[in-house]
Amino acid sequence: GQSLEQPSEVTAVEGAIVQINCTYQTSGFYGLSWYQQHDGGAPTFLSYNALDGLEETGRFSSFLSRSDSYGYLLLQELQMKDSASYFCAVRDPGSGAGSYQLTFGKGTKLSVIP
Amino acid sequence: GAGVSQTPSNKVTEKGKYVELRCDPISGHTALYWYRQSLGQGPEFLIYFQGTGAADDSGLPNDRFFAVRPEGSVSTLKIQRTERGDSAVYLCASSPRHLNTEAFFGQGTRLTVV
Repeated sequence: GQSLEQPSEVTAVEGAIVQINCTYQTSGFYGLSWYQQHDGGAPTFLSYNALDGLEETGRFSSFLSRSDSYGYLLLQELQMKDSASYFCAVRDPGSGAGSYQLTFGKGTKLSVIP
Repeated sequence: GAGVSQTPSNKVTEKGKYVELRCDPISGHTALYWYRQSLGQGPEFLIYFQGTGAADDSGLPNDRFFAVRPEGSVSTLKIQRTERGDSAVYLCASSPRHLNTEAFFGQGTRLTVV
């Protein structure tokens, strides 16, 4: 089966940098995605890593180490609007022929304080 | 439409009743996913469609749950003999093709079984 571990809660100060870690154990692996979800809202895509290394998109960066089954999301210059839940998700082959699904972690609730 | 549309946004039903939840994906997206999200948890995979066929239904919890996508666009998730444990937010997502790295989520249907 698949399992993903990430911290349940993180608190950080506005303007600071925060790193949210994710470790995974999966039977198949195509890549690691990150999604943001505000309370009552839909998950929205942030980033995707298929290969080892760092991907940067504005204030957000994501890192993957396939050999360590580990990744992280880095948020810089934190803003109050970044307060949300952040989910790592493994893209894996699933169990059907030609299948392709996302398996999500339980999420990290980020609180940004003034 | 501009995004994934799910109706209704909220549904309250009595235990034992039948419910249908509708998902209208982004036009042209061939891949469609249903997820279920309980409070404080990550989205849990239910079923994946590629076109009209269910490529992977391994996440459906039991035979009370069924989903269709007869014309390869709109999908309906059907739950028979609802139970209180079925209460959750049911999320639908779509992607342009099954290997696309980004899934676009709808706002979800909040189902409450009383």
